[in-house]
Amino acid sequence: DTGVSQDPRHKITKRGQNVTFRCDPISEHNRLYWYRQTLGQGPEFLTYFQNEAQLEKSRLLSDRFSAERPKGSFSTLEIQRTEQGDSAMYLCASSVWGPDSGNTIYFGEGSWLTVV
Amino acid sequence: ILNVEQSPQSLHVQEGDSTNFTCSFPSSNFYALHWYRWETAKSPEALFVMTLNGDEKKKGRISATLNTKEGYSYLYIKGSQPEDSATYLCAFEPRGKWEEYGNKLVFGAGTILRVKS
Repeated sequence: DTGVSQDPRHKITKRGQNVTFRCDPISEHNRLYWYRQTLGQGPEFLTYFQNEAQLEKSRLLSDRFSAERPKGSFSTLEIQRTEQGDSAMYLCASSVWGPDSGNTIYFGEGSWLTVV
Repeated sequence: ILNVEQSPQSLHVQEGDSTNFTCSFPSSNFYALHWYRWETAKSPEALFVMTLNGDEKKKGRISATLNTKEGYSYLYIKGSQPEDSATYLCAFEPRGKWEEYGNKLVFGAGTILRVKS
């Protein structure tokens, strides 16, 4: 399978614990995005990378959230001191970014987080 | 704040019915409009990326139109089948910092389609 892969697919954690999600984008995709989706809403933008550079972070991303993309390949999203409000699906996506307009953005299957 | 609205919120149709959904988005700073189909336990599947006013795209029984001047897009499904049951998401991509290229997606809440056989 050469799509966007995310790990783990499901995570249940106790409030206050740290969790880390990993995303492997489609090979040679230079852009990588993280989104969060809660029930009844569409995915909300969290952050994105152009190669290894983190270009933008949403205000939704508190100081407890950190994302990295070392070497411009896979990415990790870490949530420290989890709160119940962090329970959501975390979606990763990747694309080729360049001068051609209308590039398709491909999504992974998401990582479900439940904070108890 | 960018606002993307989708209607209806949900739709129940019989197999064979044709249906359509609406996506409203800001008419300024437009770069692209994306449609996705999202089935439970799967990744969102890209259906269309539309960039030009008046664009019409088709994929099998599904087609979409785009009006960037008034800020709306329609998604049509002809002869709905049970396997079309999914959440259909549209996402507005505004122009980025460097004007030429796109930026992050702003999603609507989706339209849930259920097709009964």
